[in-house]
Amino acid sequence: QIQLVQSGPELKKPGESLKISCKASGYTFTDYAMQWVKQAPGKGLQYMGWINTQTGKPTYADDFKERFVFSLETSASTAYLQINNLKNEDTATYFCATPGFAYWGQGTLVTVSS
Amino acid sequence: DVVLTQTPPTLSATIGQSVSISCRSSQSLLHSNGNTYLNWLLQRPGQPPQLLIYLVSRLESGVPNRFSGSGSGTDFTLKISGVEAEDLGVYYCVQSTHAPPTFGGGTKLELK
Repeated sequence: QIQLVQSGPELKKPGESLKISCKASGYTFTDYAMQWVKQAPGKGLQYMGWINTQTGKPTYADDFKERFVFSLETSASTAYLQINNLKNEDTATYFCATPGFAYWGQGTLVTVSS
Repeated sequence: DVVLTQTPPTLSATIGQSVSISCRSSQSLLHSNGNTYLNWLLQRPGQPPQLLIYLVSRLESGVPNRFSGSGSGTDFTLKISGVEAEDLGVYYCVQSTHAPPTFGGGTKLELK
């Protein structure tokens, strides 16, 4: 069965960086793109963009073109979300998901606080 | 970007009651390939969203058939025929016809 397992919660200070992982199993990793979705506390879902798992080419939604980096480790069937120069407003749960939003990771809670 | 407007924002229901949620799009979601990429998700408290309905009306495997989806163009509806306790949470519509994908604001289903 398809599973996406994300790395654990993070507590960071403003200005720091972090990298979240999303490990896929149950399918051939390069068969599907990987999408990323942000959910701020108590808020709705916000699409961040996606990465082509065959070419490694990322596509970012407008609000995520600065400071956010999608990457892959194909040999490990893992996608990564890196956030640089963290800000308080980056406090949220971040999800990876397959196309069509059929499968989701469990989410990674990121807290940014001084 | 396509704007999806969900109504109502909150829905109170009793167990066994049938309810509907509306999702209206700022532009037609009919793709040039003939498909309409409108899905419905349910997010239970503390959980990631799960796919209920895809391509407007197709039930995802394992989802109870009390859930149904309908609509076309810009107007879509999710119906739950006989709410059960496990159905409580926030429902989202999401479109993938136009890039980037966008989500509705959500409808919270509560027990009355």
